[in-house]
Amino acid sequence: AQSVTQLDSQVPVFEEAPVELRCNYSSSVSVYLFWYVQYPNQGLQLLLKYLSGSTLVESINGFEAEFNKSQTSFHLRKPSVHISDTAEYFCAVIRSGGSYIPTFGRGTSLIVHP
Amino acid sequence: SQTIHQWPATLVQPVGSPLSLECTVEGTSNPNLYWYRQAAGRGLQLLFYSVGIGQISSEVPQNLSASRPQDRQFILSSKKLLLSDSGFYLCAWRGNRGYEQYFGPGTRLTVT
Repeated sequence: AQSVTQLDSQVPVFEEAPVELRCNYSSSVSVYLFWYVQYPNQGLQLLLKYLSGSTLVESINGFEAEFNKSQTSFHLRKPSVHISDTAEYFCAVIRSGGSYIPTFGRGTSLIVHP
Repeated sequence: SQTIHQWPATLVQPVGSPLSLECTVEGTSNPNLYWYRQAAGRGLQLLFYSVGIGQISSEVPQNLSASRPQDRQFILSSKKLLLSDSGFYLCAWRGNRGYEQYFGPGTRLTVT
């Protein structure tokens, strides 16, 4: 079985500062990796995903994540955050060849201060 | 394009009352469907998933049940609610060719 660890439950940061949200996973087989974002009182939205190919993946709103197989990590980064990025961020992993049911991390609350 | 609907958006129910939450998906056929619960300050807990009409898999023992009477309809039910059933309930779908899930807007349930 796979597991996901989001090391930080809360990350406060000032507007226009860079941010990194950490995600580590464990799995004995190949995985697919995802980041979802959840704004208050809404459902989750897919932010970006890694399935194969380039280990660096980007979203349309400036976030990027890099798959690091040796460190079993998929950290999310943004060079300059906005107030509107304040939200809960969930890392998720799916084991390839399985039932494709994701294992989610417990989430990281990103709080952007003006 | 595909859309997913959930209703009601909010619900306040007394302990011991029944529950019915509905989720429907438009714009796709034979989706995989999921019910999650999100308690305050916690992550997502998978409750049920379905790969087809009438096919339900339960992930945790509880007083909740799920049904899939039609291809794109997924219902979460309870005969008698407990205080611990309070939370934010999310429905999600996944296509047969993709890996990511798409979530509905959620239902906020408060059991009093």
